[in-house]
This record gives sequence, structure tokens and C-alpha cells, in this order.
Amino acid sequence: GQQLNQSPQSMFIQEGEDVSMNCTSSSIFNTWLWYKQDPGEGPVLLIALYKAGELTSNGRLTAQFGITRKDSFLNISASIPSDVGIYFCAAIRYSNYQLIWGAGTKLIIKP
Amino acid sequence: DVKVTQSSRYLVKRTGEKVFLECVQDMDHENMFWYRQDPGLGLRLIYFSYDVKMKEKGDIPEGYSVSREKKERFSLILESASTNQTSMYLCASSLTRDGQETQYFGPGTRLLVL
Repeated sequence: GQQLNQSPQSMFIQEGEDVSMNCTSSSIFNTWLWYKQDPGEGPVLLIALYKAGELTSNGRLTAQFGITRKDSFLNISASIPSDVGIYFCAAIRYSNYQLIWGAGTKLIIKP
Repeated sequence: DVKVTQSSRYLVKRTGEKVFLECVQDMDHENMFWYRQDPGLGLRLIYFSYDVKMKEKGDIPEGYSVSREKKERFSLILESASTNQTSMYLCASSLTRDGQETQYFGPGTRLLVL
């Protein structure tokens, strides 16, 4: 099935650094979602975005719904060890309400 | 908080066995989904349901069937398990209101078919 283009594929950062990842597509979407998945667990919703241009924060996390409706980014400020995991973007188009997924960004924090 | 539960966290079955994976959500959500997740392939949609007794094929329905007899419960059935169905299976549920939808996931069932 169709996938979103998520980058980077993985990130190796020092604790305390800021993190930025993004998802792009050639298609327009109505909803962008960001999830985090820990090993052996299901994805947990971090932030949901429903309007183009919307900027939403959840603690140290900030995400934006691109103005063109074709992209979204997620920023994590001042990373901590528990931020380790795989982050997925997902998007929904109203026409069929199916969720389209990015391939994930694996975040690893160096001690 | 939305709660989506799956009947088993880990399951080991033999080739040819019939396998049932159960998913229950407690938020009266209309929509329920079954995905499988494999390394390098991300999440792939197997089947979804928008209402009781209603089902729609996702991207990879072959080898699977589903059942939704009650709103809160969505079952995934492997009629005759095969080794290529070894995977992590994730159930999700969602509610669509005013065009807004967010999917909430269960903890996953890791299935090994020998």
C-alpha cells in the first residue's frame, strides 16, 4: 500500500539534544498523526493534527501540519533517555478514512 | 482514556492450525482495524470494520478473515496458519466525528508459526 516518506530513518543523538523528523507525500491529507512505539508494544498516539498550518505541542513535543497538507514535522526538545523508540507519522484522507503510514524514525540516545 | 486490549501478548502455533486473535475496545468506537507489522515493511492493514457485522479488506487480506459480531470486539482469524504469518499483529479502534479521526492501538500480539 501507499506509504508516506518519513525521514530520517534513524537518529543517534546525545541526551539533551533537540530532535526533528518529518513526513512528506505527493498527496493531500486531512489529518496527520504522530505515534511512538516502544519495543514489543503497540503505537501510542503523541499528537493529532486536523488543520493545515496547525502547530500543536504536547510537553517537549511539537508537531505541525504543513500548509500544503502534504507534509508534517515532529520536534522533540531536550531529549531524555525515555524518548528512545520508533516514531511513526500517519495520515488520513477523508475520501476513504484509511490510515497511511510512514516507515518510522528510530531514535537512539547515546549516554 | 481509550483502552484497546488484545487477548494474547505472545502466541506460538503450528502450521495449519486455526488461530483466533481477539481485540476489545471499551470506548464505543465505531471503527476497528487489524494490522500486521514486520521489520522493514511498517504497518500493513489486513481488514477493517466500520460497524457491527461489516468488514472491508485492507491491503493484505489474503490468508485472513475477520468477525465483528459486537461493536466492542473485532476478531482476526487465520484459517490455516502458515510460517509467513509470523508477525506482530496490532488492533486499533477509532471514532470519526466531524471528519476527525484518530486511531488508538492495543499492545500487540506477537505470533510465531512453526
